[in-house]
Amino acid sequence: EAQVTQNPRYLITVTGKKLTVTCSQNMNHEYMSWYRQDPGLGLRQIYYSMNVEVTDKGDVPEGYKVSRKEKRNFPLILESPSPNQTSLYFCASSRGRGYQPQHFGDGTRLSIL
Amino acid sequence: SQQGEEDPQALSIQEGENATMNCSYKTSINNLQWYRQNSGRGLVHLILIRSNEREKHSGRLRVTLDTSKKSSSLLITASRAADTASYFCATGLNAGNMLTFGGGTRLMVKP
Repeated sequence: EAQVTQNPRYLITVTGKKLTVTCSQNMNHEYMSWYRQDPGLGLRQIYYSMNVEVTDKGDVPEGYKVSRKEKRNFPLILESPSPNQTSLYFCASSRGRGYQPQHFGDGTRLSIL
Repeated sequence: SQQGEEDPQALSIQEGENATMNCSYKTSINNLQWYRQNSGRGLVHLILIRSNEREKHSGRLRVTLDTSKKSSSLLITASRAADTASYFCATGLNAGNMLTFGGGTRLMVKP
């Protein structure tokens, strides 16, 4: 089954404790991206990757890091999480360019206390 | 501000009625897409319409695109309770490499 898998689905943690949200897709997609979803602000893109070792900033990259060492994986790293990063996070992937239809994971709800 | 803005923000209808949601955007686009999100879940792609297309159908969904007005509409005919969800438009720009999402329309279909 074609899917984008995120882990963990839920996480409550404290300010400053480094965390990583993993994302993996099994569709051999070139393009992967991370979004955050906040009430009243819709979905905003954090980072995206066109292919292995190629990443670029989206609209709200501050406080986040990503890496793309393998085509299937695109982890999101919060080096020093802060409460304003409490949000619902989605990973997505697509063939080819970033404006193609995206396949989304089921989301990761992060709470930073 | 967001590239795409949906209208209305919330819509409540009875089962069997049609639901219409609108999306306006600001800049030239390559395509416009509609997504559905059930509560607490990821977005699911519904339909894509290219900038040179005016109308597209998929099952009970009908999407129109008016590039002169920079607007699109999503029509769901004969709605069902299972259509209850949030619906988002997203625009893909010619010069860009990402989708920009609107704030969404929350649709409630009452049985």
